[in-house]
This record gives sequence, structure tokens and C-alpha cells, in this order.
Amino acid sequence: DTAVSQTPKYLVTQMGNDKSIKCEQNLGHDTMYWYKQDSKKFLKIMFSYNNKELIINETVPNRFSPKSPDKAHLNLHINSLELGDSAVYFCASSPMQETQYFGPGTRLLVL
Amino acid sequence: GQQLNQSPQSMFIQEGEDVSMNCTSSSIFNTWLWYKQDPGEGPVLLIALYKAGELTSNGRLTAQFGITRKDSFLNISASIPSDVGIYFCAGAYNTNAGKSTFGDGTTLTVKP
Repeated sequence: DTAVSQTPKYLVTQMGNDKSIKCEQNLGHDTMYWYKQDSKKFLKIMFSYNNKELIINETVPNRFSPKSPDKAHLNLHINSLELGDSAVYFCASSPMQETQYFGPGTRLLVL
Repeated sequence: GQQLNQSPQSMFIQEGEDVSMNCTSSSIFNTWLWYKQDPGEGPVLLIALYKAGELTSNGRLTAQFGITRKDSFLNISASIPSDVGIYFCAGAYNTNAGKSTFGDGTTLTVKP
């Protein structure tokens, strides 16, 4: 009965590779998000989708492309991975525009 | 853009002590939220505040929405070891397409 789930939990890959992270929520929320948390623990929003429509797109390199096949899923694809992409990526969902429910995170390490 | 200053950046306290932390903004919000992140986990919502001056409790936690709408405070009474983690404040303005701005976090360490 997991609320917001992400796969994989850990991802170790080489520079230049392309990878995807998947997120699913079973809470019936309309809005989903991707956040990046760096080594200093700063939490920065990357994207937000409402009912499969992109509503927030912060200043993120276009190597990052979110995809929402339905309102319960928001995946993140990253092309040409760079060392600086190493971070923890959190998916979140929200029933309204404020309170958010976070997934457990995906720890990405680019070598 | 909006900025949130959260302080202190870190705290080392003895079990049983009370804790206070705060968040200030360069602009107003109409919602303030406090989250806690345990090590290795995602942030979890602790308290949500929707009205200026509002004071809300959740067990040993009490949070307040500042009168100016530019600040919020979180107090933890009688700290215990499981209070360890990172506490984030977040502000939201409901015309901003669902975007919450997060503070940089306060890392709390509780010594038994």
C-alpha cells in the first residue's frame, strides 16, 4: 500500500549514458513533481505536472525530460548523464497545490 | 524569485531540550509547510499552516504562521533521539501553479 513509489532506489552509471527513473502514486492526486536534492541537502523543484500537463519547468538542462503517461505516473528520463547530475531525485504528488507527499528517492551516482 | 532563509542551518542538542527554528521569506506566502526528512527517506509533511497568525500543534511540534506572512516558526518540545533529521520549511502562494519554495533545511542532531 505504498503511496508514492520510485524505481530504482539506487542507480550507478557511467558518464554519457541515458537513464530513466520511474514514479507512481496510488493516492489519486492530480499533481506530480520531480525534485533534485544535492549533496548539501538543498531541495530544488525541477518539474510539475497536473493531469498529465506540464505546469512547472524550472531552469533544468534539456537533457532532462519528464513524461507523464497518465496522472498516476511521472517518469524522468536523463540523456547524456554528467558528473554533476549525481544527486537524490525525489518524486512527489499533491492533492492540492501545497501539501506534497514524497517518494523514497532515487540515489543517482554518475561515474 | 522568492527566497527562503531557514535558520539555524544545524543544531546539536541534548535529549529533553526544546528546539526552535525559523524561516523567513523575501515575499509573502499564503501557506507555510514544515516537513521532516529522516536519513535515507523522502520528506514527510509535519504541519501545514493556512492563515496568518495561525498556531498549530502536532504532538510535541508547534508551528506558527507569522503575522507578516513572510515568516514561520517551528518548535519541538522535549526532544527525543528520533527527532534527528532535516527539517524543511516551504512556502506556497496559490496562484503560483502549485509551486512550493523550500528552505535549505535545518539539520537536527539529538544526543542521548
